[in-house]
Amino acid sequence: AQSVTQLDSHVSVSEGTPVLLRCNYSSSYSPSLFWYVQHPNKGLQLLLKYTSAATLVKGINGFEAEFKKSETSFHLTKPSAHMSDAAEYFCVVMHGSSNTGKLIFGQGTTLQVKP
Amino acid sequence: DGGITQSPKYLFRKEGQNVTLSCEQNLNHDAMYWYRQDPGQGLRLIYYSQIVNDFQKGDIAEGYSVSREKKESFPLTVTSAQKNPTAFYLCASSSRGTRNEQFFGPGTRLTVL
Repeated sequence: AQSVTQLDSHVSVSEGTPVLLRCNYSSSYSPSLFWYVQHPNKGLQLLLKYTSAATLVKGINGFEAEFKKSETSFHLTKPSAHMSDAAEYFCVVMHGSSNTGKLIFGQGTTLQVKP
Repeated sequence: DGGITQSPKYLFRKEGQNVTLSCEQNLNHDAMYWYRQDPGQGLRLIYYSQIVNDFQKGDIAEGYSVSREKKESFPLTVTSAQKNPTAFYLCASSSRGTRNEQFFGPGTRLTVL
């Protein structure tokens, strides 16, 4: 069975410092992996996705993530945090052999950015 | 502009009443999904539909019902059988293909008094 674990429920950084949000996944098949961001009382916006092409994936707003099969990880990073990055972030896995498009969501990581 | 709309943004209902949440998309997507989000938790799948006139239960379908009579519409009814209906409800859609991302609507916050 596939699953995803976000290792930190809350991360706090200062503006201008690097961001690291950690995600580990479990999947018996080649997974598709996504990072979504959610601002308060809003829907989810796709940041980036991995679908078995390049292991380093670049997304919007300067975010990127690296797929590491040996570590079953898909951590999200950004070199320099901005105040507007404060939000909830979800790591998501889609079963590689699924024909339904069903997603499995992590519990979420709240990113706080301090001035 | 293409996208997903959900209405209303906030909804209040008395306990024991059924309520229907609207979800419309003009992205020409075949698949549509309903999720429930509770504070401090990820999203949980209620129902999904891969094609018109067909839908399947997700992980927490009890107390909910859906219909898919049109490609662009996927309304969700929260029935009185749902024991804890107060939550944030998100609708999503995607095009065919198992590796395609889902696009989300802005959500409806339902409060049952």
